Amino acid sequence: LAKTTQPISMDSYEGQEVNITCSHNNIATNDYITWYQQFPSQGPRFIIQGYKTKVTNEVASLFIPADRKSSTLSLPRVSLSDTAVYYCLVGLDTGRRALTFGSGTRLQVQP
Amino acid sequence: GAVVSQHPSRVICKSGTSVKIECRSLDFQATTMFWYRQFPKKSLMLMATSNEGSKATYEQGVEKDKFLINHASLTLSTLTVTSAHPEDSSFYICSASKGLGTNEKLFFGSGTQLSVL
Repeated sequence: LAKTTQPISMDSYEGQEVNITCSHNNIATNDYITWYQQFPSQGPRFIIQGYKTKVTNEVASLFIPADRKSSTLSLPRVSLSDTAVYYCLVGLDTGRRALTFGSGTRLQVQP
Repeated sequence: GAVVSQHPSRVICKSGTSVKIECRSLDFQATTMFWYRQFPKKSLMLMATSNEGSKATYEQGVEKDKFLINHASLTLSTLTVTSAHPEDSSFYICSASKGLGTNEKLFFGSGTQLSVL
């Protein structure tokens, strides 16, 4: 199973760009990288998924270097409502049940 | 996206009773669903993988007789906490897998806060 490592916490201010990096040195060839957001007492919410290079959607961007041993979630111009825990998840091949959540990164956005 | 509905959102029960939690995929069929447990300020811990029409696969350390999982249809999985005790109090979250291969994504229910008195 690909283990992930993220910073435990990050602080930011409204309007700033926030980049959260996840390390996954043991990522397998077929593994995708997915990021989730979780608010207290709620289930995680899908943010973005990618395999290599860069992926962008209306919420965030995901940067993945060529060796794929890490990935960076970029949140542009954060607001107070982006205060949450962000999880990096590697591997969604349910045949291998690679569904382990790491510790996540607790992002605190200040006014 | 896709919608996964989980009920109840909160339940309080007496020690020794059993509690059933339902997880439904509302707009897609899910042959595989997952159950997680989460303690305050901790990450999600996978408890078991629920497969439609077959027995669930439990993670190491999870008592299958304690946490009964049934996945009788492609849109419904249930988790029953049997003879609940205070140490079973936790936040339980289900998820369903949609898509195949490179398009596969997990969608989560809103969670169930179980409090055992």
